Amino acid sequence: KQEVTQIPAALSVPEGENLVLNCSFTDSAIYNLQWFRQDPGKGLTSLLLIQSSQREQTSGRLNASLDKSSGRSTLYIAASQPGDSATYLCAVVLVEYGNKLVFGAGTILRVKS
Amino acid sequence: NAGVTQTPKFRVLKTGQSMTLLCAQDMNHEYMYWYRQDPGMGLRLIHYSVGEGTTAKGEVPDGYNVSRLKKQNFLLGLESAAPSQTSVYFCASSYVPPASGAQYFGPGTRLLVL
Repeated sequence: KQEVTQIPAALSVPEGENLVLNCSFTDSAIYNLQWFRQDPGKGLTSLLLIQSSQREQTSGRLNASLDKSSGRSTLYIAASQPGDSATYLCAVVLVEYGNKLVFGAGTILRVKS
Repeated sequence: NAGVTQTPKFRVLKTGQSMTLLCAQDMNHEYMYWYRQDPGMGLRLIHYSVGEGTTAKGEVPDGYNVSRLKKQNFLLGLESAAPSQTSVYFCASSYVPPASGAQYFGPGTRLLVL
């Protein structure tokens, strides 16, 4: 059974710091890995999607990498801002179940001004 | 363009009561999904639909039923609510399957079963 783990569970950093969120998965047979942002009491917003054939994706201050062989992904946030405070979730789509996202529990990020 | 909307936003039920959660999308998406989110467990797929008139079971389907009579709507029903169904429910939709592209999520329905 695919398991997705996110470390750390919570992170608090001062404004301006660069930071890395980690995601690991047990089954490397995936179509893609996706990073989402969830604000308190709100739904999820898609941030980045990395196909299994890709190594990384970038959007503004966000950069996500994927190492499928080792079952790891990182989300790098440059020059963090208080507005980045949210829960960040990663999810994978298994080759075995192409219609299903398997989510990690998330990392709660707080950026202090 | 409202995106994905969910009704109601919050509901309190007593054990044994029934209710229906409504998800609507105005993006002409083929694929629709119902997830539940519990503390420390991430989101888990309940049921999904790959097109009008179709439904399929996800990871945690027991105690729930769904219907997709119209392309833009996906209904989630609880026939006899149990305290274990206390959760936040999210609906999502997409134009392509998850293997090919991103999903769009609604704001969630918070359900408390007493």
